Amino acid sequence: AQSVTQLGSHVSVSEGALVLLRCNYSSSVPPYLFWYVQYPNQGLQLLLKYTSAATLVKGINGFEAEFKKSETSFHLTKPSAHMSDAAEYFCAVTAFKAAGNKLTFGGGTRVLVKP
Amino acid sequence: DTEVTQTPKHLVMGMTNKKSLKCEQHMGHRAMYWYKQKAKKPPELMFVYSYEKLSINESVPSRFSPECPNSSLLNLHLHALQPEDSALYLCASSQESGGYNSPLHFGNGTRLTVT
Repeated sequence: AQSVTQLGSHVSVSEGALVLLRCNYSSSVPPYLFWYVQYPNQGLQLLLKYTSAATLVKGINGFEAEFKKSETSFHLTKPSAHMSDAAEYFCAVTAFKAAGNKLTFGGGTRVLVKP
Repeated sequence: DTEVTQTPKHLVMGMTNKKSLKCEQHMGHRAMYWYKQKAKKPPELMFVYSYEKLSINESVPSRFSPECPNSSLLNLHLHALQPEDSALYLCASSQESGGYNSPLHFGNGTRLTVT
């Protein structure tokens, strides 16, 4: 089975400061990892994905994540937070199961951006 | 704007009612999904359809009945629900169901309240 753990259910950052959201995975096979963002009253939007092509992955809205196999981590960062980054962020991993693309989510991290 | 459209946005139903949630995508995706999301929790997979056939049922109670009339449409029929079934129901689609390089595209969800 594959799983992800997000460290910290809430993160508070000042506008302009670094955003760092932590995600650690557990997988018996090479994982495929994703970060999604959910704004209030909306569905989930893909920020970026890791599919083994490159360990440093750049996504939308200035976010990037680095896959570190030795640390089983896939942390999400953004150099400078903006007020519009306030949202819930989910790390997710896929697991192949029959014909299904089963996406398993971490518990989520809510980001609060202070002016 | 999301490319996966869900209707209705909000639904209130009694425990004896029968209602349906609808989902539509026109991206040519061949896999479609239903997720359930409780407040402050990550989405939980309910069903996966691959090429219009049910491929995954995550042991969902029979009061939830999915249907995929064609590759663009996905329905979730609801009957005799319980108050604890109140949640945000998210529909998603992906290009194919077995491809790890095929991220999910989510709709904005239907917020269901069972009274």
